[in-house]
Formats: sequence, C-alpha cells, structure tokens
Amino acid sequence: KNQVEQSPQSLIILEGKNCTLQCNYTVSPFSNLRWYKQDTGRGPVSLTIMTFSENTKSNGRYTATLDADTKQSSLHITASQLSDSASYICVVSDRGSTLGRLYFGRGTQLTVWP
Amino acid sequence: EADIYQTPRYLVIGTGKKITLECSQTMGHDKMYWYQQDPGMELHLIHYSYGVNSTEKGDLSSESTVSRIRTEHFPLTLESARPSHTSQYLCASSPRGVTNEKLFFGSGTQLSVL
Repeated sequence: KNQVEQSPQSLIILEGKNCTLQCNYTVSPFSNLRWYKQDTGRGPVSLTIMTFSENTKSNGRYTATLDADTKQSSLHITASQLSDSASYICVVSDRGSTLGRLYFGRGTQLTVWP
Repeated sequence: EADIYQTPRYLVIGTGKKITLECSQTMGHDKMYWYQQDPGMELHLIHYSYGVNSTEKGDLSSESTVSRIRTEHFPLTLESARPSHTSQYLCASSPRGVTNEKLFFGSGTQLSVL
C-alpha cells in the first residue's frame, strides 16, 4: 500500500533554533516529492520539489533532502522565525504526468515560540 | 500568491440544507480539484476536473457533486448537508501538460453542519 508517513506529528521549538522534519514513503513508482507549508486557516503552499535525481535543494532557510534508495526525505529549517509556525505536509507523486496520483502525509505541526 | 479564491471562508448550517461552495481561479488552469481535510489528517481527494465539462470522483467517497461549466469556476454542491459533512474543504488548481505539477490551493471553506 502506498503511504506517506511524517514525523514528528508536532514539534515546538524556540525562535532562532533549527529543526528537521521527516517524511518516509512507500510510494512506487516514484516521480517527485513536494513539501508544502500550510498556515492556520490557509491552503498549502509549495516550498520545494525533489525529483529522483536530486539529493538536496534549498529555498531560503528551508533545505530539503531526498534519499530515493531509503525512500526518505527531510525538511530542515534554519534559524526559525515565528512565521514558520505552520503545518508542513509531504506529498509524493507516483508519476509526473497527468496520470500521476498524489499521496499526502498528515503533516508536522510546527510551533515556534518567542 | 495564488489567484484561487474560495467562498465562503466559514459556513455553519443546519442538517438537511443545500449548500454550494464556490471556487474560482484566474490563472487559466485546466485542472481543478476538491480536497477534504480534517484536523491532523491527510488531504483526501473528493473530486477533480481536467477541463470544461470534465468531472471525476476522487479517492474518497463523497455525497457532494461538482460542475465545470467554465474553466475558472469549479463549485461543489451538497444537496442535503449532514453533521458527517463537517470538515474543511480545499480547492486547488494546476496547469495541464506540466510535469511535476504544483498545486495552487485556495484558503479553504470550513463547513460546520449542526
């Protein structure tokens, strides 16, 4: 069964600290993996996409990694800010085309305290 | 910032009422989707459309219906709302013919059926 598991379920950190969120998947075949950020009361917004051949990609203070062999991805947030408080959702696609299906994780709820 | 709009943002209604959740996008995207999201759970696809006059049911069985008469408009209708329909409904769109597609989400409608 194709699944996407995220950990931890929730996380509280102090402003300025770093943190790492995990995503493990069993989706096969694999096309790409996206990390979305969902602020409270808003829709998810794409942060970054990882394809099969990519190991690391940065977007400002966000750095995503992908290990396609172990089917694991991580999202590292550096020097956290209060505005980073949100749910971070991992989404895996089994194909990059119109026929592709998306598999959603349940998200990690991150809270950044001042 | 995504140009996809959902109304209303919040809706509280009584059992048995007919409701329509509105979703419009100004990006000219062919593909549009409706997702259902409950707290702490993954997004579930309930309907999708690949263009005008094209609608399909998603993975999660839903008593709602959708229509796609215009490219920019993808409303969702519940003929007779029940408390089990209480949830957050997210509309999304993406352009056709793009690999590794990115979803653009609206801000959602929080529906409460009493």
